[in-house]
Amino acid sequence: DAGVTQSPTHLIKTRGQQVTLRCSPKSGHDTVSWYQQALGQGPQFIFQYYEEEERQRGNFPDRFSGHQFPNYSSELNVNALLLGDSALYLCASSYSGAADIQYFGAGTRLSVL
Amino acid sequence: GENVEQHPSTLSVQEGDSAVIKCTYSDSASNYFPWYKQELGKGPQLIIDIRSNVGEKKDQRIAVTLNKTAKHFSLHITETQPEDSAVYFCAAETSGTYKYIFGTGTRLKVLA
Repeated sequence: DAGVTQSPTHLIKTRGQQVTLRCSPKSGHDTVSWYQQALGQGPQFIFQYYEEEERQRGNFPDRFSGHQFPNYSSELNVNALLLGDSALYLCASSYSGAADIQYFGAGTRLSVL
Repeated sequence: GENVEQHPSTLSVQEGDSAVIKCTYSDSASNYFPWYKQELGKGPQLIIDIRSNVGEKKDQRIAVTLNKTAKHFSLHITETQPEDSAVYFCAAETSGTYKYIFGTGTRLKVLA
């Protein structure tokens, strides 16, 4: 049983570019959350997707957007990249019947130069 | 706003000793408190969790205690082993908000 998988593992972009990160949830899970983890910090909630809709959003600008597909996988898009967007982006999946418990993937390390 | 404070930021213990990490949350409506272990280059791994209707939960060498009145919860690791070395994060969630508020992490080093 595969856990939460994220791709790519590493990514290097330059300021102003756009990036798309991908996440496949754990088998049986229907809800995906995205977090940003800056170096040496705890993860910060970006948003959560359920039934292909954004259900909750953290304090992130509109440059951060997402999508959930019918197979429950999800994408995180970041436009107009800033140096400060450099971080580890984590995807977490959960089952709506036990929504509290979130399982994390290994993350995508984004470097913005 | 919602906030979770975590202490200490670093903790070194001798192998076999106990380690305690403490967190304080600000939202009195928080009702779910997971703990995660993050090893270098990996995502956070859930190691134990507790809900607000329970005061203590134990799983082998790991235990978590919750004091709702004081709004703090703690992770206890007994008989520490070198493989326990990692960064540990506490988090708090309020039912219906769908988001975790994480602490800033504790780097635990278990010295052999």
